[in-house]
Amino acid sequence: DSGVTQTPKHLITATGQRVTLRCSPRSGDLSVYWYQQSLDQGLQFLIQYYNGEERAKGNILERFSAQQFPDLHSELNLSSLELGDSALYFCASSVDGGRLDYGYTFGSGTRLTVV
Amino acid sequence: AQKVTQAQTEISVVEKEDVTLDCVYETRDTTYYLFWYKQPPSGELVFLIRRNSFDEQNEISGRYSWNFQKSTSSFNFTITASQVVDSAVYFCALSETDNFNKFYFGSGTKLNVKP
Repeated sequence: DSGVTQTPKHLITATGQRVTLRCSPRSGDLSVYWYQQSLDQGLQFLIQYYNGEERAKGNILERFSAQQFPDLHSELNLSSLELGDSALYFCASSVDGGRLDYGYTFGSGTRLTVV
Repeated sequence: AQKVTQAQTEISVVEKEDVTLDCVYETRDTTYYLFWYKQPPSGELVFLIRRNSFDEQNEISGRYSWNFQKSTSSFNFTITASQVVDSAVYFCALSETDNFNKFYFGSGTKLNVKP
């Protein structure tokens, strides 16, 4: 158990819908990272939050948004879903916002299937 | 441009064979980190190793070994006496000075180890 908790593990939804993926970081970690693993794009960094504020942005679509709450859990919101959004979404957490955290690990992922 | 290139999409070997997975990276930073992750069929990302750019010593951990060569920007991974349980997708990743916890992943190499 990495200490990073992602829910739900699986999600099936229809095109055009909106879903929310949740990530609880390891205890004490202030930073949360979201990654998307899709068949065509591979594993890509989406966005990072540090202590409630956006720290870095990657290849995140405008239809996607994220936030980090005062209790430090994070949610990734995906809207107007398309078939191509089907992917495995990973969350990771770290203590610091940028300095390498040697305990940095990934959650087990949420598998999203858009039908 | 791709920061991390894993040219081998898929490799098949017979059990007990040695296999090397290639990883070539590109960065302008002098300080960076390189990683290998394993993704078994269950989907989670399993951390295998991290290396900083100042440590070119090769590392061996059981049947696993890593060859880091800055001169050729490569960080190759060798599995000795492969086993069926080694079957997985293996990812090489890079992180850079601006944010060591933001990873750039290669496209992965799928390793099939047949009995």
